[in-house]
Amino acid sequence: DIQMTQSPSSLSASVGDRVSITCRASQGISNSLAWYQQKPGKAPGLLVYATSRLETGVPSRFSGSGSGTDYTLTITSLQPEDFATYYCQQYYSTPQTFGQGTKVDMK
Amino acid sequence: QVQLVQSGAEVKKPGSSVKVSCKASGGTFSSYAISWVRQAPGQGLEWMGGIIPIFGTANYAQKFQGRVTITTDESTSTAYMELSSLRSEDTAVYYCARAGGFGELFPFDYWGQGTLVTVSS
Repeated sequence: DIQMTQSPSSLSASVGDRVSITCRASQGISNSLAWYQQKPGKAPGLLVYATSRLETGVPSRFSGSGSGTDYTLTITSLQPEDFATYYCQQYYSTPQTFGQGTKVDMK
Repeated sequence: QVQLVQSGAEVKKPGSSVKVSCKASGGTFSSYAISWVRQAPGQGLEWMGGIIPIFGTANYAQKFQGRVTITTDESTSTAYMELSSLRSEDTAVYYCARAGGFGELFPFDYWGQGTLVTVSS
């Protein structure tokens, strides 16, 4: 199985801050990397797929980058509705695996 | 607009089984893989297995092999996940999720609302 190591596990930030979350795969995943946002009591929602493609309706302050084994989700100018937990997922091979999550809370 | 609506919360005894349903609407059910992902309290996301309804053959994570069965009923656009030999560690929210392409190896673009399964004596 491909292991996904996400960092940090949590971070505190303020509205307007630039935030970056990284995800490292245990082997190359050919950009088959997605990011999800989850709020308490809700299902995850797709933000980014294929490393850098924004899902329809996702604000442009979200962006994804990376290649090979290393990937990054960046939120420029954090908004109040962005405080949530974020997960990366590789869908390069079965079983699809997720990072352990990054909780973004208010400083 | 695609919607996945799951069955309600369940409380089960250790050793028993649970079957959770996921009814799809607003899209072409047969062509898109449906996966099941679980989330234990305060924990991350764990893929359990998936199925492409038009093919009918499920693929399972090794951890759940022999305990999980994923099926579909194309006539009602419903997917099912049955987990047997339940133990307390299976207490979790179980989600169904649709892969956003023809095949299993796509990101999950639609999710059900989740079903809480509590295993307790």
